[in-house]
Amino acid sequence: GDSVTQMEGPVTLSEEAFLTINCTYTATGYPSLFWYVQYPGEGLQLLLKATKADDKGSNKGFEATYRKETTSFHLEKGSVQVSDSAVYFCALSVAGGYNKLIFGAGTRLAVHP
Amino acid sequence: NAGVTQTPKFQVLKTGQSMTLQCAQDMNHNSMYWYRQDPGMGLRLIYYSASEGTTDKGEVPNGYNVSRLNKREFSLRLESAAPSQTSVYFCASIVQGKNTEAFFGQGTRLTVV
Repeated sequence: GDSVTQMEGPVTLSEEAFLTINCTYTATGYPSLFWYVQYPGEGLQLLLKATKADDKGSNKGFEATYRKETTSFHLEKGSVQVSDSAVYFCALSVAGGYNKLIFGAGTRLAVHP
Repeated sequence: NAGVTQTPKFQVLKTGQSMTLQCAQDMNHNSMYWYRQDPGMGLRLIYYSASEGTTDKGEVPNGYNVSRLNKREFSLRLESAAPSQTSVYFCASIVQGKNTEAFFGQGTRLTVV
């Protein structure tokens, strides 16, 4: 079945470091891919998305490129801030019927000054 | 803009007690979902409602029932709570189609003792 695999956390970085959180997926059909972010005590918020191969989603300095050949959607940011500390979820949605969002396990990011 | 509103935010139940988690959205979306979030397991789909008047089981439906009262409201009921249902519950309202996007409530933290 459809699934999402994320790198395990927690990821601990110093401020201004480079961030990569790996995400790979398995899906029938042609999924849309998403990154959601969850700040402490809050629900999930959409961070960025890509709907077809080679698309790049970007928001707030974060980027991810839809790589069909490697079935990946890795999240990157060139210079993280303390305010980026959160849990990041990779997700997919396969078109056809009613779209259900399938989430990875989440990766906790902690950024220290 | 309220978006998705969940109540209550916190609840402690004794084993065997029942309760209903309420969810309402004001975005006129057809689809609504209930997820549970457990450490290391990401979000797992409990039930979803593709449109008013329809509900379907997700990945982990056992021990739960749902009601799609109208287009705005989608409630989740625990008839006889068990410690295994201790979790954080999220309701989401989802835009279907090519621009699929989920909007989440702030969550209900439920503890069953």
